[in-house]
Amino acid sequence: QVQLQESGPGLVKPSETLSLTCTVSGVTISLDHWSWIRQPPGKRLEWIGYVSSSGSIRYNPSLQSRVTISQDTPKNQFSLKLSSVTAADTAVYYCARQQLLWFGELLLDYFDYWGQGTLVTVSS
Amino acid sequence: SYELTQPPSVSVSPGQTARITCSADTWPSQSAYWYQRKPGQAPILVIYKDTERPSGIPEQFSGSRSGTTVTLTISGVQAEDEADYYCQSADNSGSYVVFGGGTKLTVL
Repeated sequence: QVQLQESGPGLVKPSETLSLTCTVSGVTISLDHWSWIRQPPGKRLEWIGYVSSSGSIRYNPSLQSRVTISQDTPKNQFSLKLSSVTAADTAVYYCARQQLLWFGELLLDYFDYWGQGTLVTVSS
Repeated sequence: SYELTQPPSVSVSPGQTARITCSADTWPSQSAYWYQRKPGQAPILVIYKDTERPSGIPEQFSGSRSGTTVTLTISGVQAEDEADYYCQSADNSGSYVVFGGGTKLTVL
């Protein structure tokens, strides 16, 4: 059974760096793509980016200048860092396994396992 | 880029069929996916590739597409199906993912 669990501070000051870790159990993160997704209060889910075992990393262009996603394979964890945060970064942050599978000429791109999410509030 | 539009809420009585739509002005040749999220729980994938059900998802959940609208149908709705449901799609680049605004399903 694949399980993901987010951890990290629930309160971050403006202009500081938000740091979260996702611990994965039931599968090795040396396979597949591992993603972060967030949902600000009253707004839509927003894909932040992913890291894969092959070393490929993709970020949402709207956040690219502030985001770093990395993985710690021995610990079976991956992490998110978001710098220079503002109140607009207040959100529930989810980690998830992202499936990117070619089906003919069609790329299947979806999230088959998620963590419960963790609320991060940006406030002084 | 494109936006996916869902109704904010859908209400049905137990045993009835709930239909939740997700539409776009122009839907690229990409699949749709559906997630169920209950308060305090991890979201669950209930439909992928428009119509496919992951292992372990009951047959009461089904997906369909007609033009630029995809629909999640939940047959024989029960109280435990009360949740928020989100549609999602992407492009073929692996760098663009879009979610609908979510629909709250209420079982009366």
